[in-house]
This record gives sequence, structure tokens and C-alpha cells, in this order.
Amino acid sequence: SAVISQKPSRDICQRGTSLTIQCQVDSQVTMMFWYRQQPGQSLTLIATANQGSEATYESGFVIDKFPISRPNLTFSTLTVSNMSPEDSSIYLCSVGDRENTEAFFGQGTRLTVV
Amino acid sequence: AQSVTQLDSHVSVSEGTPVLLRCNYSSSYSPSLFWYVQHPNKGLQLLLKYTSAATLVKGINGFEAEFKKSETSFHLTKPSAHMSDAAEYFCVVSALSSNTGKLIFGQGTTLQVKP
Repeated sequence: SAVISQKPSRDICQRGTSLTIQCQVDSQVTMMFWYRQQPGQSLTLIATANQGSEATYESGFVIDKFPISRPNLTFSTLTVSNMSPEDSSIYLCSVGDRENTEAFFGQGTRLTVV
Repeated sequence: AQSVTQLDSHVSVSEGTPVLLRCNYSSSYSPSLFWYVQHPNKGLQLLLKYTSAATLVKGINGFEAEFKKSETSFHLTKPSAHMSDAAEYFCVVSALSSNTGKLIFGQGTTLQVKP
């Protein structure tokens, strides 16, 4: 298993600003993912954070809005840029590994944009 | 493409009665399937997983699910509901045949347990 720490756990931000969310894993993992959970909705994959290369974004998500860093095998950041109220969501970091058969999730970052 | 459909957005049961949460999937390969639970203001917790071994999968807290390929279903059941089971449940399918953790979530089913 993997233990994932996300920071911050919650934040209230002004529209037009940016927030960077950190994800720290207690072991080296190959795959890291960022998901969004809008209020009352299910989880949607934003992107796969690749170590040493650019993130792979899902349809509807772009790097300018959600830049991602993955400097090593235990850490990643997601930035929500130029925020609007529509960005109010829970953002979750997840890890999976080819040797494992499940994904592990951080506690999430609850973002409110006012 | 892989997808998953949870057939009920909301299920209400009385404490002590059986629970059935329905899930159908679509996959172009033999999928890995999961059920996750999310309690209010809590993180996601894995209940159980199917990864091409036994078709009847037992999970935590008395939950189990049966993989039925002919029906493309993976319904979640529990013989007797507890009040603490009230939560949001997600049926999930792996997005890739290699199952590296990239997941596709169903829309979720809210389970209400009445005293």
C-alpha cells in the first residue's frame, strides 16, 4: 500500500489567483494521477503526472489551466490557475503501480473559489 | 473505450436489511473492477477489487461483489446494512489493460440507511 499526504487540505481563494496543491507519497511509485470531484459529482481524471516528462492530460483539461510537476517518484504538484468559482472542487492525488492492482488516494484538497 | 454505469443514484434501506448497489461496465478487454466508498468529508476507501481471479469477491465490512461477464455486471451486496454504511459508493473500472491505476469512476450511488 501507499500513504499519500496532500497539502493543503482545504483553501478558500479569490478568483483570478492560483493555488498549488502538493502530493507526497511515502514510497516511490511509477504512476501518479490527479482527479477532480466537483460538488455532488463523481471523480474525473485530470491528468497523469509523468516523472521526468510533461503530464498527459485528459480531454477537457489543458496544461495552461492545470500545470503539473513531477520532479521525482514520490512527489507531484497540481496548480489550478486563474481560478473561477467553477473551479471549486475537491482535488485528489492518486497513485497506482504496475505491480499493484488498486489505486490509493490522498485525502483531497477542498478548494472554494470566491 | 471503458465505461461504468451505476444504475441507481440513490438507494435507501432499513438497518439490518440487505444492500444491493448495481453496476454495469463496458470494456474492450478483461477489466479490473473496484468498489470505493466515500464517507462525508472523508477520503476514498477501497471496499473490494476484481482482477480476473475469483468472480465472487469479498471485501471489507461484510461487502462482496460478483463479477458476471455474461451480464457485464459487478453489483455490490451486503447481507445486513449498518447505520455506518451510509455513504457514497463508486463503481470503478480500470482505464488501461495494464491497470496502472488510471481509473474511470461511475457517477456514484448514495446509500441511505434508516433506523
